[in-house]
Amino acid sequence: EPEVTQTPSHQVTQMGQEVILRCVPISNHLYFYWYRQILGQKVEFLVSFYNNEISEKSEIFDDQFSVERPDGSNFTLKIRSTKLEDSAMYFCASSDPGTGYDNFGPGTRLTVT
Amino acid sequence: GIQVEQSPPDLILQEGANSTLRCNFSDSVNNLQWFHQNPWGQLINLFYIPSGTKQNGRLSATTVATERYSLLYISSSQTTDSGVYFCAVTDNYGQNFVFGPGTRLSVLP
Repeated sequence: EPEVTQTPSHQVTQMGQEVILRCVPISNHLYFYWYRQILGQKVEFLVSFYNNEISEKSEIFDDQFSVERPDGSNFTLKIRSTKLEDSAMYFCASSDPGTGYDNFGPGTRLTVT
Repeated sequence: GIQVEQSPPDLILQEGANSTLRCNFSDSVNNLQWFHQNPWGQLINLFYIPSGTKQNGRLSATTVATERYSLLYISSSQTTDSGVYFCAVTDNYGQNFVFGPGTRLSVLP
């Protein structure tokens, strides 16, 4: 069964550095998402992406964040200048609107020191 | 936007016991999924269940969309069932999930 994959599984970075989190969604899916989970808290929506543009974003997704689908397979989340409070688990998801079912990746744990 | 509540927030069981986890939501839903977050932080999809009943081994789920709740049943619990269980929904206006706060389950040997 196809799966959403994410790399790296764990990223440690210093405050102020840029990070890029990578995701490979399921190949025939059309919607792509990023979610964030700060340790011990619930999972929060960041952004959705459809037809090569952002379709919806939350208040969390400010100018520090950007998303891109640089080629036919990867979907990336960039944080321009990381802050301590960006430390979290970041999940990528993709969905096929025909089934309504969302597939989540295993997550990338980002630690900002 | 849509609100999602889960109960209980914490649950401690002895191995072999059964349990019921509840998810309430405040509006009509397009999609509802139950997830298990394992100790490594991964979200494991358990059920896609916007309505009706499904079973998968020791786990089953029921969603009564008209009454705006879903239940996850775990029978004969095992220590590997420990973790946080999340309910997540999409409403009729958007594609993205709104997650509940989760139920933390601890199964003791």
